[in-house]
Amino acid sequence: AQKITQTQPGMFVQEKEAVTLDCTYDTSDQSYGLFWYKQPSSGEMIFLIYQGSYDEQNATEGRYSLNFQKARKSANLVISASQLGDSAMYFCAMREGGGTASKLTFGTGTRLQVTL
Amino acid sequence: DAMVIQNPRYQVTQFGKPVTLSCSQTLNHNVMYWYQQKSSQAPKLLFHYYDKDFNNEADTPDNFQSRRPNTSFCFLDIRSPGLGDAAMYLCATSLTETGYNQPQHFGDGTRLSIL
Repeated sequence: AQKITQTQPGMFVQEKEAVTLDCTYDTSDQSYGLFWYKQPSSGEMIFLIYQGSYDEQNATEGRYSLNFQKARKSANLVISASQLGDSAMYFCAMREGGGTASKLTFGTGTRLQVTL
Repeated sequence: DAMVIQNPRYQVTQFGKPVTLSCSQTLNHNVMYWYQQKSSQAPKLLFHYYDKDFNNEADTPDNFQSRRPNTSFCFLDIRSPGLGDAAMYLCATSLTETGYNQPQHFGDGTRLSIL
C-alpha cells in the first residue's frame, strides 16, 4: 500500500487565488511527521512546512498552511494568494517514528501551475 | 546561511566512465542522504550515512557507492554509468537518523547526463 498518496497530478490556479493540494497518508505509528516540499523546474527541493502527529493546531508558515485531519489521515497543503513563483512540483512526505532509521517517504507529487 | 551545497549543478559523462558527485553541508548534521530522482518521479533514496555508519537501501545497484570522509562532505560515486542512470541526484541532511519531526534539508541537486 502507498504510504503517501497525492491524487492530483496537476493543478491550475489563478494568481491571487488560494489552492489546496491534497495528501493522504497511511501509517500505524503513533509518532510521525508530515512535510511538504516545493520543487521548481530548476530542481532544488525546498522545505515548506511541517506537521507533527501530536500537534493539535494546524501548522502555518506565511502563505502556507497545512490542513491536518488526523482521523482521516490527510494533510492537505493550502497556499493562499498564489503567486506566479509558486508554479512548481509539490511533494508531500512523511517520516515515521519508532524505527532505527526514519526515512522520508514521498508521494508522487502535484504539479501546480499559477496563471495570470 | 547554513546550507547544503552540491557540485556541480550539471554533470555530463560518457557511458561507462566513472563519475563523482559531491555534497557539502554547513548545518553540522549527523545524517547525509543521497537520492536519485528521474523525470516526473518522486526522489528515491539510494543510501544514507549516520555519522560514519553507511546504510544502503536494499534495491540500490552495486554501481552506486558513497564516501563520507568527514561530517561536512559526502560523495556519490557511479562506477560505470549507464543510460538509465541519467537523473537528478539530490543530497540531503538531517540532524538525527530517527527524528520523525525533523525535516531533511536538500541541496540544489546535480543533473547528470550520460552520453
